[in-house]
Amino acid sequence: DAKTTQPNSMESNEEEPVHLPCNHSTISGTDYIHWYRQLPSQGPEYVIHGLTSNVNNRMASLAIAEDRKSSTLILHRATLRDAAVYYCILRDGETSGSRLTFGEGTQLTVNP
Amino acid sequence: GAGVSQSPSNKVTEKGKDVELRCDPISGHTALYWYRQSLGQGLEFLIYFQGNSAPDKSGLPSDRFSAERTGGSVSTLTIQRTQQEDSAVYLCASSLEDHHSYEQYFGPGTRLTVT
Repeated sequence: DAKTTQPNSMESNEEEPVHLPCNHSTISGTDYIHWYRQLPSQGPEYVIHGLTSNVNNRMASLAIAEDRKSSTLILHRATLRDAAVYYCILRDGETSGSRLTFGEGTQLTVNP
Repeated sequence: GAGVSQSPSNKVTEKGKDVELRCDPISGHTALYWYRQSLGQGLEFLIYFQGNSAPDKSGLPSDRFSAERTGGSVSTLTIQRTQQEDSAVYLCASSLEDHHSYEQYFGPGTRLTVT
């Protein structure tokens, strides 16, 4: 499986935007970029995913580099509830039953 | 609607005993996944079900671990002769279909402690 690299931790202030980077230089053409997050003492939850174009949903935006070797998850206005571990995961679009392969993720701290 | 539920939420057992962990997926979801999260290993995949069959058991760490799914719904993860290294949070997830475009919904997990 192609690997992703994320910073171990990041810090933000409440109500400010947060940009969480992810490098995936060995991504294949059929890999989709997925983001999940895990709040303290909870199971992971889906955030967003994309293939080539930038994506927006109610939770976040995903900006994908033109060469697809990196991507950035954008939280437009961080809240205290956004403090979590954020995982950037590649999922093969051509195989079924694709498991989620979690890396270390980025621990996001949001300061009031 | 109801999300993925797991029971028990916490389980303390003695080394050598067998344990059963239960997962109730979201109704209508055909794909079901088991993961575990331990301090030293992070989040790791264990097994995946499509309907009642398990096409991918590659993540099960030893033959002490087994899982089944009946009626395309409830799944049970069984650990026989538990060891201290089995202590972890066991997470279940379900998905509408086994396709990458469908998000996985996770349950709250079962925290297993082997003493």
